[in-house]
Amino acid sequence: DVKVTQSSRYLVKRTGEKVFLECVQDMDHENMFWYRQDPGLGLRLIYFSYDVKMKEKGDIPEGYSVSREKKERFSLILESASTNQTSMYLCASSSGGRNTEAFFGQGTRLTVV
Amino acid sequence: GENVEQHPSTLSVQEGDSAVIKCTYSDSASNYFPWYKQELGKRPQLIIDIRSNVGEKKDQRIAVTLNKTAKHFSLHITETQPEDSAVYFCAASRERGRRALTFGSGTRLQVQP
Repeated sequence: DVKVTQSSRYLVKRTGEKVFLECVQDMDHENMFWYRQDPGLGLRLIYFSYDVKMKEKGDIPEGYSVSREKKERFSLILESASTNQTSMYLCASSSGGRNTEAFFGQGTRLTVV
Repeated sequence: GENVEQHPSTLSVQEGDSAVIKCTYSDSASNYFPWYKQELGKRPQLIIDIRSNVGEKKDQRIAVTLNKTAKHFSLHITETQPEDSAVYFCAASRERGRRALTFGSGTRLQVQP
């Protein structure tokens, strides 16, 4: 059973803080993704990675960065949190290649005040 | 890049009726079209997917159809039950290039008992 685990379910941070969201998967998946979910906008891709130390920008990368130092871990970093980054953040992973099922973490609800 | 539009945004049906959700995509190179179900407070989970070499796929009460010429695909749920109530997302990805899903904006399905 694939497990994708996000480090926090709920987070409250102050404007300007540096925020780290952590994601770990236990299925040796090559691909990992960070999405942001907002009502009426669906899931929007922030960044993804298909190998250790590799990263690619998604559709809304501004204000975010990522780190993948180990295959199982993919971190999303908000360099200087702003109120418009208040959202649900979803991590996902999938096996190598393209067009394979993505497995999601439980999500992190981030509130920036 | 790919753009996926999904309609309707909300759908209410009586238990036992059918429900249809429609999506269109813009990138003619897309060839993988999964559907995800997200129950309240839970993570999205794959319920069915279709690849471009197939026009229709069924799995018990759910089916997906694909029209590559028109660039649209649809989810059909027959004999709806209250446990079908959830948000449904369509998505698309391509064989070559970016190996990440582009999601639609979601449809909230409410099945009235």
